[in-house]
Amino acid sequence: GENVEQHPSTLSVQEGDSAVIKCTYSDSASNYFPWYKQELGKRPQLIIDIRSNVGEKKDQRIAVTLNKTAKHFSLHITETQPEDSAVYFCAACSYGGSQGNLIFGKGTKLSVKP
Amino acid sequence: GAGVSQSPSNKVTEKGKDVELRCDPISGHTALYWYRQSLGQGLEFLIYFQGNSAPDKSGLPSDRFSAERTGGSVSTLTIQRTQQEDSAVYLCASSLARGGHEQYFGPGTRLTVT
Repeated sequence: GENVEQHPSTLSVQEGDSAVIKCTYSDSASNYFPWYKQELGKRPQLIIDIRSNVGEKKDQRIAVTLNKTAKHFSLHITETQPEDSAVYFCAACSYGGSQGNLIFGKGTKLSVKP
Repeated sequence: GAGVSQSPSNKVTEKGKDVELRCDPISGHTALYWYRQSLGQGLEFLIYFQGNSAPDKSGLPSDRFSAERTGGSVSTLTIQRTQQEDSAVYLCASSLARGGHEQYFGPGTRLTVT
């Protein structure tokens, strides 16, 4: 089955700097890669996702890149702000086949220092 | 509209007792997922439903765990003969369909086994 590795487990940046979180996956059939943000004590919420037919997607200060050949994808946050502090989870799944559930990475705790 | 709801929000139980956790998905969402999140850890997939059927039960940690969904809506996760290692936050999520669709999470049930 699918296995998702996420790095780093913790990341501390200064406000205004960029943050990059990287994930690798094992199942070449995976074709959907969402990123979720979980603030302390709250539920995870989708912030951006990418499908295998594109290599990059941007939404304001957030971007995700996907390299299907290498089986890795990354989250990029530019001009970080204190409210970006949270745990970020990457995930992968293969839809259209017999599977349909997301396999999550273990999370990255991002701290943005003012 | 209403999001995913879960009850109870907190549950403290004695070791060996059975517990039942409830999830009300967003109306019209055919896919429903259960995850377990231990303190400071990632999201461990337990089981998902497409309609009332559960095609993938591979994530259930033991035969003490079971889940059902009726009427394509409400789902219950039952843990029999609870153990201390079952203590965690149990999150439910729903999506329009299985696979590459955004999953909307509920607030979770915090289970503590004493």
